[in-house]
Amino acid sequence: EVQLVESGGGLVQPGGSLRLSCAASGFTFTNYWMSWVRQAPGKGLEWVANIKGDGSARYYVDSVKGRFTISRDNAENSLCLQMNSLRAEDTAAYYCARGINRYYDLWGRGTLVTVSS
Amino acid sequence: QSVLTQPPSVSAAPGQKVTISCSGSSSNIGKNSVSWYQQLPGAAPKLLIYDNDKRPSGIPDRFSGAKSGTSATLGITGLQTGDEADYYCATWDSSLPIEVIFGGGTKLTVL
Repeated sequence: EVQLVESGGGLVQPGGSLRLSCAASGFTFTNYWMSWVRQAPGKGLEWVANIKGDGSARYYVDSVKGRFTISRDNAENSLCLQMNSLRAEDTAAYYCARGINRYYDLWGRGTLVTVSS
Repeated sequence: QSVLTQPPSVSAAPGQKVTISCSGSSSNIGKNSVSWYQQLPGAAPKLLIYDNDKRPSGIPDRFSGAKSGTSATLGITGLQTGDEADYYCATWDSSLPIEVIFGGGTKLTVL
């Protein structure tokens, strides 16, 4: 089955760290750019970061540059997002998404990150 | 506040047709393709339309997309209660260092 499954969300204090994972299955993982897209409670969608199929290029939204790192393990068909120095405004559901020409044709169910003391 | 403007809400009766607009500018919709996503309550977004007017496999032809100038439109005919959801347009902006920009979203209520 073609799917993406996120994990790793939870409650973390401001300034803390969290590592999100996304397990991909049912397709040739290396053929696709992969992205993280987040959605704050009651708000709209926001692109966070993406990484090229071979891992040779990565891009971030300005608000997470220097704090978040996107990576992938093509041998394990997995995508990760290392989040450091977390802030309250990072609280959101984080979705893993498969990208084709800047649209996303496959999404995971999401994992919730709550940054609060 | 997104650079893509959508109405916060639209509503229509079952069986009717509704359109959702997405207004942008010459640096985004004016030169790049638009996609549309449906997000049912409590669920992940789902691709409805890509490249302005193309439907992925499995998306019924009740859903359609169009683009003209710096605006795009999502049309839904034969409304069903199961269509109640949030709908987002998306594209990219040549003047912004962002991979994809999303509209603010439109809540569709099927009365």
